Amino acid sequence: AQSVTQLDSQVPVFEEAPVELRCNYSSSVSVYLFWYVQYPNQGLQLLLKYLSGSTLVKGINGFEAEFNKSQTSFHLRKPSVHISDTAEYFCAVIPSNDYKLSFGAGTTVTVRA
Amino acid sequence: DTAVSQTPKYLVTQMGNDKSIKCEQNLGHDTMYWYKQDSKKFLKIMFSYNNKELIINETVPNRFSPKSPDKAHLNLHINSLELGDSAVYFCASSDGTSGSGEQFFGPGTRLTVL
Repeated sequence: AQSVTQLDSQVPVFEEAPVELRCNYSSSVSVYLFWYVQYPNQGLQLLLKYLSGSTLVKGINGFEAEFNKSQTSFHLRKPSVHISDTAEYFCAVIPSNDYKLSFGAGTTVTVRA
Repeated sequence: DTAVSQTPKYLVTQMGNDKSIKCEQNLGHDTMYWYKQDSKKFLKIMFSYNNKELIINETVPNRFSPKSPDKAHLNLHINSLELGDSAVYFCASSDGTSGSGEQFFGPGTRLTVL
């Protein structure tokens, strides 16, 4: 079985400041990793994913994440946030031989002017 | 064009009623899912179908019954609704049965049981 821990439940940040959302996972098999964003009253949208290869993954809207196998982490970063980045962010993991996606509890990012 | 659509978007009903939520995807995917998001925004998989065959069936009360008439549709029927069923239900789809396939989510159905 696999599990996902998002270490910050809420992250307030000022506009144009950098943000980092932390995600750790545990699994007995190799996994694929995802970050999804949920804007208020909307569904989930994929920001980026790590399947294999380069450990630095670039996604949409200026987000990037780094896979660290030794630390079993997949932290999400953005160098300069906008008001429109206010949303719920979910880290998710899926075993490479399965399709059962497990989500973290989510991190609420609130961007203030 | 909407990739994954759900109807209705909002559903308000009384305890004890039976209701259905419909999901359709036009992406040509062969795997579809139902997730439940509770009031604390925690997301949990409920069911998954691959080519109309049930492949994931989590610990969900048997009042919940998914039905897949074809691989583009996955409906969720709920019998004898309870207060605790109030949540947002998301449908999703993906291509293939390996984990590398991105899951595309619908807009959600907010169910309120009174």
